[in-house]
Amino acid sequence: KQEVTQIPAALSVPEGENLVLNCSFTDSAIYNLQWFRQDPGKGLTSLLLIQSSQREQTSGRLNASLDKSSGRSTLYIAASQPGDSATYLCAVYGSSNTGKLIFGQGTTLQVKP
Amino acid sequence: DGGITQSPKYLFRKEGQNVTLSCEQNLNHDAMYWYRQDPGQGLRLIYYSQIVNDFQKGDIAEGYSVSREKKESFPLTVTSAQKNPTAFYLCATKPRGTEGSEQYFGPGTRLTVT
Repeated sequence: KQEVTQIPAALSVPEGENLVLNCSFTDSAIYNLQWFRQDPGKGLTSLLLIQSSQREQTSGRLNASLDKSSGRSTLYIAASQPGDSATYLCAVYGSSNTGKLIFGQGTTLQVKP
Repeated sequence: DGGITQSPKYLFRKEGQNVTLSCEQNLNHDAMYWYRQDPGQGLRLIYYSQIVNDFQKGDIAEGYSVSREKKESFPLTVTSAQKNPTAFYLCATKPRGTEGSEQYFGPGTRLTVT
């Protein structure tokens, strides 16, 4: 059974720092991987989708990498800002047909001014 | 204005009552999903539907029921059989079977049962 783990559970950094959020999964036979952002009491906002044939995706200050063989993905946030404070969720697609997502528990990020 | 609508945003019910959560989309996506989120945890899949008049159980379907009579709508009923119904419920949609397509989420409904 696929399990997704995110470490650390919480992270606090000063503004301007570059940081890395980690996601690991137990079964390397994933289809795609998606990173989301969740603000308190809100729904999920998609940040990046990495297809199984890709090794990384970039959007602005965000860069996500995927290493299927080692069961790992990282989300790199450059020059962090207080507005980046949120919970970041990693999720893997186990199948291309159903679209079912398996989520990690999330990393709650606080960026201090 | 395309998107996913979930209503209401907050819902309060007494124990023993069934309650139905609404999810509507105008993205023309075939697949729809219901997830549950508990404090400090990731999301868990309750039910999903890839096409009208068809749906499948997810990982935690016990105590829940769904219907998919229209492409735009996928309501979730939380029955009295669900032992711990208080949670944040999120609906999502996705184009069916499209490689590289991502899942989109609604704003969620917070259900409190006392």
